Amino acid sequence: AQRVTQPEKLLSVFKGAPVELKCNYSYSGSPELFWYVQYSRQRLQLLLRHISRESIKGFTADLNKGETSFHLKKPFAQEEDSAMYYCALLPGAQKLVFGQGTRLTINP
Amino acid sequence: DTGVSQDPRHKITKRGQNVTFRCDPISEHNRLYWYRQTLGQGPEFLTYFQNEAQLEKSRLLSDRFSAERPKGSFSTLEIQRTEQGDSAMYLCASSTRTSEGETQYFGPGTRLLVL
Repeated sequence: AQRVTQPEKLLSVFKGAPVELKCNYSYSGSPELFWYVQYSRQRLQLLLRHISRESIKGFTADLNKGETSFHLKKPFAQEEDSAMYYCALLPGAQKLVFGQGTRLTINP
Repeated sequence: DTGVSQDPRHKITKRGQNVTFRCDPISEHNRLYWYRQTLGQGPEFLTYFQNEAQLEKSRLLSDRFSAERPKGSFSTLEIQRTEQGDSAMYLCASSTRTSEGETQYFGPGTRLLVL
C-alpha cells in the first residue's frame, strides 16, 4: 500500500534552533516526493520536491531510499517558518498521497 | 492572480441539500484534481481529470458525488443529499507534466459545513 507517515503532529522549537520534520513513505516503486506548506490563512503551496534537489527558504530534504524517508531540515529556524507542513508522495499514478501533517511552531 | 481559484470559499447547508463547487485551474494545465481534507488530516484524493476525461475516482467518492470538467477547462464537484460527514475542506489542484515531472498547484479550497 502507498502510505506517507509523519510521526509528529506537533513540533515546537526555538528561533535559531535546527528543525527536522520527519517523513517516511511506503511505496515499492521509484517515488516522487514533495513537501507542501500551509501558512496561516493561506493555500497549500509547494515548498520543495526531491527531484529538483534545491533549497527553498533554507529548507532541504534528502530522499533516503534505504530508510524510505524524506525528512525536511533547516539549520536555523525563523519565526516565519511557523506553519503546517505536509509530506506527499506521487506514487507513479497521478494522485498525491499526503501524510497527516506536522504543525511547526517557532518560539521567539 | 493566475493561480487555481475555487468558488465558493465557504458553504453552509442543511443535511439533505445538494451543493456544487467550482474550480478554475491554471489555464495551461491539462490535469485537474479534487481532494478532501478533514480536520487533523492531510488531503485525500477524490478524483482526477486529464482534459475533459475523468480518469480515476477514489472509493471515497460515493454515488452522491459527481464531478465534471466540460471542455477540459473548469470543473464542478456536486454532492447530492449532503450528510454531516461530508463536512470538510474540498481542495482543487491543477498540474501539467513537464520534463522535470509534475507539480500540483492548489486552490484555496471550499469549506463545507453540513448542519
